[in-house]
Amino acid sequence: GENVEQHPSTLSVQEGDSAVIKCTYSDSASNYFPWYKQELGKRPQLIIDIRSNVGEKKDQRIAVTLNKTAKHFSLHITETQPEDSAVYFCAASIRRGTFGTGTKLQVIP
Amino acid sequence: DVKVTQSSRYLVKRTGEKVFLECVQDMDHENMFWYRQDPGLGLRLIYFSYDVKMKEKGDIPEGYSVSREKKERFSLILESASTNQTSMYLCASSRGQQQETQYFGPGTRLLVL
Repeated sequence: GENVEQHPSTLSVQEGDSAVIKCTYSDSASNYFPWYKQELGKRPQLIIDIRSNVGEKKDQRIAVTLNKTAKHFSLHITETQPEDSAVYFCAASIRRGTFGTGTKLQVIP
Repeated sequence: DVKVTQSSRYLVKRTGEKVFLECVQDMDHENMFWYRQDPGLGLRLIYFSYDVKMKEKGDIPEGYSVSREKKERFSLILESASTNQTSMYLCASSRGQQQETQYFGPGTRLLVL
């Protein structure tokens, strides 16, 4: 089955700096790669996703890149703000629900 | 707007009790999922269902069963609760045959004493 590894497990950045979270997956058949944000005490919610026919996707301060050959994808957050503080999860082969272990991002004002 | 609800936000049960967690979605989604969330372990899939009366095991099905008698409802059952099942349980749903966004419920925090 699919295996997803996510790094780092925790990340602290100064407000205004960029944050990068990386994930690798094992099943080359995976073709959908979403990222979820979970604020403290709340449910995970989709923030951005990418499909395997696209190499990069951007939505304002958030971008995701995908390298299918290397089987890794990354989340990039620019100009971080305190409200970006949360746990972020990557996933692959989403229909079956294979998630990474999460990254706790802390943005320091 | 997709709405996924769970029957309880908090539950306290005793070891050996039978526990029912219910999830309901109102968007006619075909797929429904049960996860447990533990610190440092992320979201681990317990069971999922692609259709009514269909179920498939996830990564950690031991000690759990599920039921999907209606499309909108997916139940997670702990036949005999144990302390190692103390966790946050999240339900999710998604539509269609293709890989799509999952919409999560608010979660049920279960404590087994």
